Amino acid sequence: AQSVAQPEDQVNVAEGNPLTVKCTYSVSGNPYLFWYVQYPNRGLQFLLKYITGDNLVKGSYGFEAEFNKSQTSFHLKKPSALVSDSALYFCAVRPPPGNTGKLIFGQGTTLQVKP
Amino acid sequence: DTAVSQTPKYLVTQMGNDKSIKCEQNLGHDTMYWYKQDSKKFLKIMFSYNNKELIINETVPNRFSPKSPDKAHLNLHINSLELGDSAVYFCASSHQASHTDTQYFGPGTRLTVL
Repeated sequence: AQSVAQPEDQVNVAEGNPLTVKCTYSVSGNPYLFWYVQYPNRGLQFLLKYITGDNLVKGSYGFEAEFNKSQTSFHLKKPSALVSDSALYFCAVRPPPGNTGKLIFGQGTTLQVKP
Repeated sequence: DTAVSQTPKYLVTQMGNDKSIKCEQNLGHDTMYWYKQDSKKFLKIMFSYNNKELIINETVPNRFSPKSPDKAHLNLHINSLELGDSAVYFCASSHQASHTDTQYFGPGTRLTVL
């Protein structure tokens, strides 16, 4: 079965420190991977995606993610966390083949950045 | 200039009622989606329409009926509401249904069934 796992329910970091939110996936074929962020009582906002090419993808608000095919991972990173980064983060995969556009989401990781 | 909008934002209703949630996108996209987010924040796709044609129906009870009057609109009608339907429903759209296209989400509709 095709799936996405975010092994941490919550990640706590101090402001100014680097942050990592983990994501691993299980799909057959080449995966297309996405990160979204959800602020309280808001919709999901797109951060970045990996389709092909460079394994390091840069996205919005200073976030980046590294695609690692051998470890089937797509961890989200930021060099210096801000309190305003505190939110719920979702990793998602769009499994090939087919053009249905279906996204499979991980269970979400709450990021708490403390001053 | 909201890209993907949903109405209403909050919906509180009694079991057994019928209700609708509306979604509109002004991005010129061809594909629209409905997702359900449960109380544990888990997100799952329900439906997808491409050019007004249904392309995904994820084993959703037939009490849920999406309707796409045109490419810019995808409404969700729910009959005989049940307690378990309480959730946040998100509409999304993308340029095409291609696996490389980014989906853009609306603000969500919080449905509470009493």
